[in-house]
Amino acid sequence: GENVEQHPSTLSVQEGDSAVIKCTYSDSASNYFPWYKQELGKGPQLIIDIRSNVGEKKDQRIAVTLNKTAKHFSLHITETQPEDSAVYFCAASKGGGGNKLTFGTGTQLKVEL
Amino acid sequence: DVKVTQSSRYLVKRTGEKVFLECVQDMDHENMFWYRQDPGLGLRLIYFSYDVKMKEKGDIPEGYSVSREKKERFSLILESASTNQTSMYLCASSRDNSGNTIYFGEGSWLTVV
Repeated sequence: GENVEQHPSTLSVQEGDSAVIKCTYSDSASNYFPWYKQELGKGPQLIIDIRSNVGEKKDQRIAVTLNKTAKHFSLHITETQPEDSAVYFCAASKGGGGNKLTFGTGTQLKVEL
Repeated sequence: DVKVTQSSRYLVKRTGEKVFLECVQDMDHENMFWYRQDPGLGLRLIYFSYDVKMKEKGDIPEGYSVSREKKERFSLILESASTNQTSMYLCASSRDNSGNTIYFGEGSWLTVV
């Protein structure tokens, strides 16, 4: 089955700096790659996603890049703010977006003042 | 907005008890999922359902069963709770398999003593 690896497990940045989280996947048939943000005591919320026919996608301060050949994808957060502090999960799926997701192990991002 | 509701946020149960975790979604979604979240392991899929009375095993189904008698409700059952099932349980849903977003509930914290 699919295996998703995520690095780093913890990331500390100064407010205003950029943060990058990287994931690799094993199954070349995977075609949908969402990123979720989980705040303390809450369920994960989708923040951005990318499909295999696209190399990059941006939404304000957040961007995701996908390299299908190398089977890795990354989340980039620019101009980080304290409210960006949370756990971030990457995931991969083969069957469009509604099919089951395989998740990475999560990255605890801390944005320091 | 899509709402996935997990009725019990915090539960404490004794070893050997039968435990029911209930989840309801209000958007007529076809797919529903149960994930387990543990530190350092990310989210792991226990079971999912793509239609009423239909279910499929995920990656870690042992010790669990599920029930989907109505489209909006998906129950996770621990037939005989054990201490290694102490965890955070997340329910999720998506409209269908056509590339739609997966939405999560707020989670149920289960402690088995």
